[in-house]
Amino acid sequence: KAGVTQTPRYLIKTRGQQVTLSCSPISGHRSVSWYQQTPGQGLQFLFEYFSETQRNKGNFPGRFSGRQFSNSRSEMNVSTLELGDSALYLCASSYQTGDTQYFGPGTRLTVL
Amino acid sequence: KQEVTQIPAALSVPEGENLVLNCSFTDSAIYNLQWFRQDPGKGLTSLLLIQSSQREQTSGRLNASLDKSSGRSTLYIAASQPGDSATYLCAVRRNTDKLIFGTGTRLQVFP
Repeated sequence: KAGVTQTPRYLIKTRGQQVTLSCSPISGHRSVSWYQQTPGQGLQFLFEYFSETQRNKGNFPGRFSGRQFSNSRSEMNVSTLELGDSALYLCASSYQTGDTQYFGPGTRLTVL
Repeated sequence: KQEVTQIPAALSVPEGENLVLNCSFTDSAIYNLQWFRQDPGKGLTSLLLIQSSQREQTSGRLNASLDKSSGRSTLYIAASQPGDSATYLCAVRRNTDKLIFGTGTRLQVFP
């Protein structure tokens, strides 16, 4: 089976812009979670989607949003980018909530 | 609020040593605990998942134990190799809630 894929792998944006990241889960997996990883804060949970519904949400401002499509692919969007949004954004999929999570390689976002 | 701590933060050992990485969590009401490794600039690779009803899980040279009552898990790596060099992260989940990650242990195994 193909693993979790994330596109793009690298992204450079400027403050105030918006960005959309994409995640394709392992075939058959219906749960997709997003995480932000920074050197200072470590890995922090953003949100989880299951069958197109947001199931859990982390403590991030409303500028961070996401969605899941009927084929389980997921996107996350960050509007009005700030310098502090520079991070590695990781997507993980599992068959259902609570199962082993499998991570993608991440998208490295740099905000200038 | 669940907090997950990993000690030590960094570890450097010679090849061939057996080693133990520690993970502590403050709320014992967990659903499961998962160990990951992360290579620099890469995503996470799942190593082992232990359900709350289990005491340990093994995969090859890796053995993870779980003691819910004391809020601790250990990852034992036997006969370490340079290829084991990575950051090791533990994460706990409560029911269908989010995964909460520890800060990680950076392991270096030198030849």
